[in-house]
Amino acid sequence: DAGVIQSPRHEVTEMGQEVTLRCKPISGHDYLFWYRQTMMRGLELLIYFNNNVPIDDSGMPEDRFSAKMPNASFSTLKIQPSEPRDSAVYFCASSLGYEAFFGQGTRLTVV
Amino acid sequence: EDQVTQSPEALRLQEGESSSLNCSYTVSGLRGLFWYRQDPGKGPEFLFTLYSAGEEKEKERLKATLTKKESFLHITAPKPEDSATYLCAVQAGNTGKLIFGQGTTLQVKP
Repeated sequence: DAGVIQSPRHEVTEMGQEVTLRCKPISGHDYLFWYRQTMMRGLELLIYFNNNVPIDDSGMPEDRFSAKMPNASFSTLKIQPSEPRDSAVYFCASSLGYEAFFGQGTRLTVV
Repeated sequence: EDQVTQSPEALRLQEGESSSLNCSYTVSGLRGLFWYRQDPGKGPEFLFTLYSAGEEKEKERLKATLTKKESFLHITAPKPEDSATYLCAVQAGNTGKLIFGQGTTLQVKP
């Protein structure tokens, strides 16, 4: 397996624009996580899914953030509208319920 | 509330100088404790899983141990290539949720 695949690797957008981050989990994994990493706050869990169903979205900062998992092999994290404080590295990870395996991340810069 | 605290935040060692990183946790029913390594510009890379107090795992120069309140990552005779940020995470109860600490950034000088 190629591991968790995220796209794009880098995204630069203007404030107010919509941003969509994409993730393909490891085949067969039934958990999918979205994390945000910043120097100040470290790795924060935004939301996680089990069998494509959102289980806990308490880490989603505000209504501008939304995540979907339409099937077992694809998930998106959308920010609309984006703001400069959303600038961070966003990671997707998947697991079988124990250790999680991470993608390479998407570095988002909102100017 | 489930919480993970890592110390120190940063650690500088000379090559060959052994040391330990600490991960203290409070969690309602530990399901597992995980150690990861993260290199700059990359995603965290899984190292170890520990499930119960007294358990130990080893990989090359790294050894992870677990008690009821904390975990240690021992680094024996480190090399410059061990330089990275080491992250600890806990999983509580019957959920798949992983909560991470802030990490320890290790620098090993030749």
